[in-house]
Amino acid sequence: KQEVTQIPAALSVPEGENLVLNCSFTDSAIYNLQWFRQDPGKGLTSLLLIQSSQREQTSGRLNASLDKSSGRSTLYIAASQPGDSATYLCAVRPMGRDDKIIFGKGTRLHILP
Amino acid sequence: GAVVSQHPSWVICKSGTSVKIECRSLDFQATTMFWYRQFPKQSLMLMATSNEGSKATYEQGVEKDKFLINHASLTLSTLTVTSAHPEDSSFYICSAPGPSGYHNEQFFGPGTRLTVL
Repeated sequence: KQEVTQIPAALSVPEGENLVLNCSFTDSAIYNLQWFRQDPGKGLTSLLLIQSSQREQTSGRLNASLDKSSGRSTLYIAASQPGDSATYLCAVRPMGRDDKIIFGKGTRLHILP
Repeated sequence: GAVVSQHPSWVICKSGTSVKIECRSLDFQATTMFWYRQFPKQSLMLMATSNEGSKATYEQGVEKDKFLINHASLTLSTLTVTSAHPEDSSFYICSAPGPSGYHNEQFFGPGTRLTVL
């Protein structure tokens, strides 16, 4: 059974710092891995999608890497800003006949001004 | 891009009433949609898979008679919370796999916040 774990559960860093959020999954048989952002009381915003054949994806100050064999992904945020404060969710789509995705519990990020 | 909408965005109801939440794929067809529930400060928990033209598939522990799902068209799935109680208060989110060309990406609705008094 696929399980997704995110570490740390919460993180507070001063503005301007670079930071890394971690995601691990137990079964490497996945189609893709997706990183989402969720603001309090709001829906999900997709940040980056990495296909199983890819090693990384970049969007602006965000860079996500994927090491499928070891079951790990990281989300790197450069030059953090207070507006980056949110919960970041990692989700994998396991290989199989359905389109289900499995979420981690998220990392609550707080950027201190 | 592929857009998923939900209606209503929030609803308050009295205990014992039923509430219907709609999930629509606006510019693509979705034979499958997913319904999630999220309690405060918790992650998303998959409740059920909605299948167009057939019965929904429920995750273990989710009451089928409590959470009725109908997927009557290729762009609309509905979730009805029957005889709602305060413990059903939660944030409900739906998603759909994007059309071909979107590389298996899931698209999420903005969510519906249900408060049962």
